[in-house]
Amino acid sequence: AQSVTQPDIHITVSEGASLELRCNYSYGATPYLFWYVQSPGQGLQLLLKYFSGDTLVQGIKGFEAEFKRSQSSFNLRKPSVHWSDAAEYFCAVGPPRNSGNTPLVFGKGTRLSVIA
Amino acid sequence: EAGVAQSPRYKIIEKRQSVAFWCNPISGHATLYWYQQILGQGPKLLIQFQNNGVVDDSQLPKDRFSAERLKGVDSTLKIQPAKLEDSAVYLCASSSSGTVPSFGPGTRLTVL
Repeated sequence: AQSVTQPDIHITVSEGASLELRCNYSYGATPYLFWYVQSPGQGLQLLLKYFSGDTLVQGIKGFEAEFKRSQSSFNLRKPSVHWSDAAEYFCAVGPPRNSGNTPLVFGKGTRLSVIA
Repeated sequence: EAGVAQSPRYKIIEKRQSVAFWCNPISGHATLYWYQQILGQGPKLLIQFQNNGVVDDSQLPKDRFSAERLKGVDSTLKIQPAKLEDSAVYLCASSSSGTVPSFGPGTRLTVL
């Protein structure tokens, strides 16, 4: 069965510092991969997605993620964190193309705190 | 385009009471999902509809939860009777073929 592991429950970084959030997945084939962000009291906003092709994908708000097939990882990065980035981040996997609208499977999330 | 709408945004009830949540998906989206997000966890699928038919409800506690999607558009999720462990955010999402699901703002349920 597919699963997503986000090993870090909570990360604190200083404003302006770089950020990397880890995500590992288990799936029978190369899945679609997603990162969502959730601010307090808000729904899930899509940051970026990987379907195929270039393994480094760019997203909104200056985020990027790199797909590494050999490590079954899809880590999220940002070179310089802003205080407004404080939120909960979720990695998710979905089925390969042509598998219909199979629902996404989410990790447990990583809470990001940003300090001055 | 308008996003996924959900109401109410917040609900507080006592255990054993009933509650219902409403979702209006993005126009034209045939697939609708209800997820449950317990505090400190990622969203977990409860039920998936394709138009007005159920595709997957294997994770729905059917002794107390029910959902419907009449006419293949709006959907309601009901809990009767509620338990303390039902306290969570209930997220609705919708998608069309080949698109990434879009999520609504969620309904935060507190069961006392």
